[in-house]
Amino acid sequence: AQKVTQTQTSISVMEKTTVTMDCVYETQDSSYFLFWYKQTASGEIVFLIRQDSYKKENATVGHYSLNFQKPKSSIGLIITATQIEDSAVYFCAMREGYNQGKLIFGQGTKLSIKP
Amino acid sequence: DPKIIQKPKYLVAVTGSEKILICEQYLGHNAMYWYRQSAKKPLEFMFSYSYQKLMDNQTASSRFQPQSSKKNHLDLQITALKPDDSATYFCASSQERLSSAETLYFGSGTRLTVL
Repeated sequence: AQKVTQTQTSISVMEKTTVTMDCVYETQDSSYFLFWYKQTASGEIVFLIRQDSYKKENATVGHYSLNFQKPKSSIGLIITATQIEDSAVYFCAMREGYNQGKLIFGQGTKLSIKP
Repeated sequence: DPKIIQKPKYLVAVTGSEKILICEQYLGHNAMYWYRQSAKKPLEFMFSYSYQKLMDNQTASSRFQPQSSKKNHLDLQITALKPDDSATYFCASSQERLSSAETLYFGSGTRLTVL
């Protein structure tokens, strides 16, 4: 059965620093897709970045990048030059190759950026 | 302007009543979904629709019934409401359901409270 786990409940860092959020997943499928979303204080869920399991290169979008370690079933989110507005809850999610309809989410990590 | 509109934003209902949550997307997507977020739980997949046809149903109860009157609409009817149904319900969409690579985009949610 597929599962996504985020063990960090909350993280607090200073503005303009780099933060890494952890995520591990379980799947029996050889093809899968990993996503990171953030949920703002207003409740809005925003897509950030995606990693396809067959790609060796780590995805990068703006100041978001991923640390994809396939042998460890790990997909960390790295945010560089953090800003106050990056404060949010970050969710890791996975979609298996055969199970097209279902996106499985982790429990979320609350990120607080201090000025 | 929001591309996925959910109405209402907040909803209070009494136990045993029936409510309909509205979702319209203006992204031109062919697949739509419902997710639920309960307190202290990760986002849970409920339904997926593709071209107005139900593709996946992960809800255990028949009290939850999606309704698709138009391609860009996917409403959620909930009957015989219970306090445990209290949650934020998110509608989402993607270009195509058949590809697991598709990214889901979420609406702002309807926060349902059942008294």
